[in-house]
Amino acid sequence: AQSVTQLDSHVSVSEGTPVLLRCNYSSSYSPSLFWYVQHPNKGLQLLLKYTSAATLVKGINGFEAEFKKSETSFHLTKPSAHMSDAAEYFCVVSVFSGSARQLTFGSGTQLTVLP
Amino acid sequence: NAGVTQTPKFRILKIGQSMTLQCTQDMNHNYMYWYRQDPGMGLKLIYYSVGAGITDKGEVPNGYNVSRSTTEDFPLRLELAAPSQTSVYFCASSYEGVGNIQYFGAGTRLSVL
Repeated sequence: AQSVTQLDSHVSVSEGTPVLLRCNYSSSYSPSLFWYVQHPNKGLQLLLKYTSAATLVKGINGFEAEFKKSETSFHLTKPSAHMSDAAEYFCVVSVFSGSARQLTFGSGTQLTVLP
Repeated sequence: NAGVTQTPKFRILKIGQSMTLQCTQDMNHNYMYWYRQDPGMGLKLIYYSVGAGITDKGEVPNGYNVSRSTTEDFPLRLELAAPSQTSVYFCASSYEGVGNIQYFGAGTRLSVL
């Protein structure tokens, strides 16, 4: 079985400062890992994905994540926060289960960006 | 492209009523999924389908039914609504392949009172 732990339920940063959202995972198999973002009253949008290629993954809107197998981590970073980054972020692990590849979601991290 | 479209956006049901949440996608994806999102939680998989005529249970299927008669449509049926089914419901679709990116609809907010 796989699981995802997002280590912070809320993160607050000032505009222009770095963002770090932490995610640890467990999986019996080589997982695919994703970060999704959810703006208020919107559906989920893919930020980036890791699928066993380069360990440093670049996504949209300046976000990056680094896959560290030894630490079972997949933390999301951005060098400089923007007000529009305020949203909820979900770390997701994907493995085959049954007849399809299924996603297991973390409980989410709410990012607040202060002016 | 419209992507994944869910209707309705909001609904209030009385206990014991039934309803169908509609989901359609125009990306010719073979895989489709239904999730629910409770406050402060991540998404939990209700049902999924790997193609027309094929469905399977996810993590939290009790109280729900699905069907998949076409590639495009994957409706979710609530037969006897209960307060525990108050949630936000998301439909998603994907190709099966490397990375398996799922594309999500905007959600249906359901309250059962």
